[in-house]
Amino acid sequence: AQSVTQLGSHVSVSEGALVLLRCNYSSSVPPYLFWYVQYPNQGLQLLLKYTTGATLVKGINGFEAEFKKSETSFHLTKPSAHMSDAAEYFCAVEGQGGSEKLVFGKGTKLTVNP
Amino acid sequence: DGGITQSPKYLFRKEGQNVTLSCEQNLNHDAMYWYRQDPGQGLRLIYYSQIVNDFQKGDIAEGYSVSREKKESFPLTVTSAQKNPTAFYLCASSTGQVSYNEQFFGPGTRLTVL
Repeated sequence: AQSVTQLGSHVSVSEGALVLLRCNYSSSVPPYLFWYVQYPNQGLQLLLKYTTGATLVKGINGFEAEFKKSETSFHLTKPSAHMSDAAEYFCAVEGQGGSEKLVFGKGTKLTVNP
Repeated sequence: DGGITQSPKYLFRKEGQNVTLSCEQNLNHDAMYWYRQDPGQGLRLIYYSQIVNDFQKGDIAEGYSVSREKKESFPLTVTSAQKNPTAFYLCASSTGQVSYNEQFFGPGTRLTVL
């Protein structure tokens, strides 16, 4: 069974500072990993995903994440925060094998201070 | 434009009443999903369907029912048996052909029980 742990339900950064949102997963099979973003009262939008191949994945809006199998992590980063990055971010894992079911973390709400 | 629509955006219900949430997609996706979102809980899977006329229970199916008579439509009924139905409900779809395809989300319906 898969599970996802997002460390920190709230993260606050200053505009221009590094954004680091942490995600650790557990999976009995090689995982597919996803980061989604949700703006208030809206649906989720895919930021990036890891399937196979290159472990550093680049996404939209300047975000990237690195898959580290030895650490079972998939942390999301952005070098310089912008006010428009304020949102809630969800990490999700899906096990290979055709289940097509995503398991989501509980989310991290990012606040960007001017 | 292709996408997922959910209606209504806000829904109010009296205790003891059933209510149906609409989800329509024009992405020609085979798979559709219903999630419930509560603050600090992330997304939890209610039901999913990988093909027309077939669906499976997710992690929190009690008190909910679905149908999948058409590829484009996957309505969710919240029954009076659901003890705490006030939540934000999200519908999603994916191609369903391979595991790592992303899920696309609708804008959500916020249900409040009065």
